[in-house]
Amino acid sequence: DGGITQSPKYLFRKEGQNVTLSCEQNLNHDAMYWYRQDPGQGLRLIYYSQIVNDFQKGDIAEGYSVSREKKESFPLTVTSAQKNPTAFYLCASSRGDAYNEQFFGPGTRLTVL
Amino acid sequence: ILNVEQSPQSLHVQEGDSTNFTCSFPSSNFYALHWYRWETAKSPEALFVMTLNGDEKKKGRISATLNTKEGYSYLYIKGSQPEDSATYLCAVTRGFQKLVFGTGTRLLVSP
Repeated sequence: DGGITQSPKYLFRKEGQNVTLSCEQNLNHDAMYWYRQDPGQGLRLIYYSQIVNDFQKGDIAEGYSVSREKKESFPLTVTSAQKNPTAFYLCASSRGDAYNEQFFGPGTRLTVL
Repeated sequence: ILNVEQSPQSLHVQEGDSTNFTCSFPSSNFYALHWYRWETAKSPEALFVMTLNGDEKKKGRISATLNTKEGYSYLYIKGSQPEDSATYLCAVTRGFQKLVFGTGTRLLVSP
């Protein structure tokens, strides 16, 4: 089955530690995205990548980093510089066409202790 | 700044009721509007992508309309069922390959 996987589903981190969230897709999509969801807010774009070895900052990139070394993978690192990292993180991918229908993974809930 | 507003924030209806909710967005520089359904413990799932003023889309009991001149879209659910319980997200394309999401409408359908 084609789809997007994210791991782990739940993640706990001590304050001051970096942590990496995994996102893999086998849809052969060019574009990939990371969103963050907080209570009462819409999904906010952290980073996106249109092709391999290229990525751009979204609206709330501070304290996060990404890489796109393979088409299938777009890991997100939450660094210790992120002031309020506890949130639900969603990864998505799309064909990269103009209409940009996005397909989402199941998400990772990160809690900083 | 592109602002996408959804109303109501939440809705509780009885099985069999029909319901509708609204997505509002700036009408200038419009390109496309997306509706997603997000069930608890699942991934958001695309329902519709609409681009033209007057567009109407339908999938089973769910339909949507688009008015790009005045900047709104309606999502209708006819004869709501408990399995329709979910958060319905609206998003507008901002530039190439970027979406701006509303905060969603949470629908609960009681048997």
